[in-house]
Amino acid sequence: QKEVEQDPGPLSVPEGAIVSLNCTYSNSAFQYFMWYRQYSRKGPELLMYTYSSGNKEDGRFTAQVDKSSKYISLFIRDSQPSDSATYLCAMSEDGGYNKLIFGAGTRLAVHP
Amino acid sequence: GAVVSQHPSRVICKSGTSVKIECRSLDFQATTMFWYRQFPKQSLMLMATSNEGSKATYEQGVEKDKFLINHASLTLSTLTVTSAHPEDSSFYICSAPERGGLTDTQYFGPGTRLTVL
Repeated sequence: QKEVEQDPGPLSVPEGAIVSLNCTYSNSAFQYFMWYRQYSRKGPELLMYTYSSGNKEDGRFTAQVDKSSKYISLFIRDSQPSDSATYLCAMSEDGGYNKLIFGAGTRLAVHP
Repeated sequence: GAVVSQHPSRVICKSGTSVKIECRSLDFQATTMFWYRQFPKQSLMLMATSNEGSKATYEQGVEKDKFLINHASLTLSTLTVTSAHPEDSSFYICSAPERGGLTDTQYFGPGTRLTVL
C-alpha cells in the first residue's frame, strides 16, 4: 500500500463546475498537508498549505483535512479552463525541511 | 512566495556524457534543498536531500556515485548526472524550504528536462 493514494484521473469537467480532488493516506504522523498545481512541463506551484486538521479557503480554492479519517480534499469553485493541470497532494511529518510524500497527481481538464 | 530557479531548462546529451543541473534560491537562503525526478505522467519521487556544507542524503535505490550533489553555498545546489544513459532521461526538479517564510513548505523550481540519446 502506498503511503499516499490519489486517483490519477483524468477528470474532465465543464467550465463553472465545482471540482473535488481527494487523497487518502496511511501515516498518522503526517501533520502538514499541501496541494500543488503542476502545468505540463513545469515545476509544481504551491496552491494550499494546511497544518493539522481543518479547512482553509483562498479565493476559489478550499482545502480540507480530516486527520481522523486520514483524508484530505481540495475543492475548486467556478472552475476555469486555466485550472486545467495536474493537482498533486503532498504531506510531511515535520514541515518543509523534511521530505514530502506526494500522491500520484490528478489530471484535471476544464472545458469551455 | 519564494522563488527557485533551475538551469538549464532543457538539455539533450549523448549517452556516456555528464550533465550538471543548477538549482538556485533567488531571494532567500536555503540550507536544505531537495532533488526530485519525475517520469512522464508519474508523480515526483525524491532522489536526495542536499545540505549546505555537508554530504547529501540519498533515498533508497538512488545511486550516489551516479547522481552527484554539491551544495556549496546557501543559494546554490547542483546535481550532476554522470555517465548518463537513456534510462536517465526524465524531468528533474529541485525544491527548497524558505526559513522564516509564511509557510513551512517547499518551493519548487521550474524543472530541467534531460534527454539522453
